[in-house]
Amino acid sequence: QKEVEQDPGPLSVPEGAIVSLNCTYSNSAFQYFMWYRQYSRKGPELLMYTYSSGNKEDGRFTAQVDKSSKYISLFIRDSQPSDSATYLCAMSGPSRGGADGLTFGKGTHLIIQP
Amino acid sequence: NAGVTQTPKFQVLKTGQSMTLQCAQDMNHNSMYWYRQDPGMGLRLIYYSASEGTTDKGEVPNGYNVSRLNKREFSLRLESAAPSQTSVYFCASSDVGETQYFGPGTRLLVL
Repeated sequence: QKEVEQDPGPLSVPEGAIVSLNCTYSNSAFQYFMWYRQYSRKGPELLMYTYSSGNKEDGRFTAQVDKSSKYISLFIRDSQPSDSATYLCAMSGPSRGGADGLTFGKGTHLIIQP
Repeated sequence: NAGVTQTPKFQVLKTGQSMTLQCAQDMNHNSMYWYRQDPGMGLRLIYYSASEGTTDKGEVPNGYNVSRLNKREFSLRLESAAPSQTSVYFCASSDVGETQYFGPGTRLLVL
């Protein structure tokens, strides 16, 4: 079993829809949870990070962490065609940067149809 | 402020050839990382350097070597390239305990 599971998609939704992206994980030592967005042929860029359980909101984006279920989510409200990208979840143990690196999901390819 | 820069952007090698991928950051970060990204495999850590003068193996270090030249620069060397090393390579940096910032990547094709 992989440490982090993420549905690769593609996930195709109409413009304006609410998008839900999810990851599950097996390592209970993970404490920091991040979402990166990656456009085609570009490097990952940090979207959100959350420490331990709870919610965090930033504009149209909301990140949720449920440590008891080992499940994290990213919600995108009022989705736009410019949100079309691959979304990667990432996790680390005691430090947000992951002193020994981050553990990534495989990424979900999201398509927002105009 | 360029963030994390990588050179070259794209490279084609023949099996057995060697090359060095360069990475530099101007954010005064202590930690630097090399990842590879393959279809269906996600990002996997090759090597990392928690601070200047130290390097450690990640998940997939075989066939690679690294050098932390100074605080800004962290290079990845392929001594004898193999087709299995065809991938997109990303360098990242972070301050201690902080989130990682990624470069634009180097696309490598080994024939």
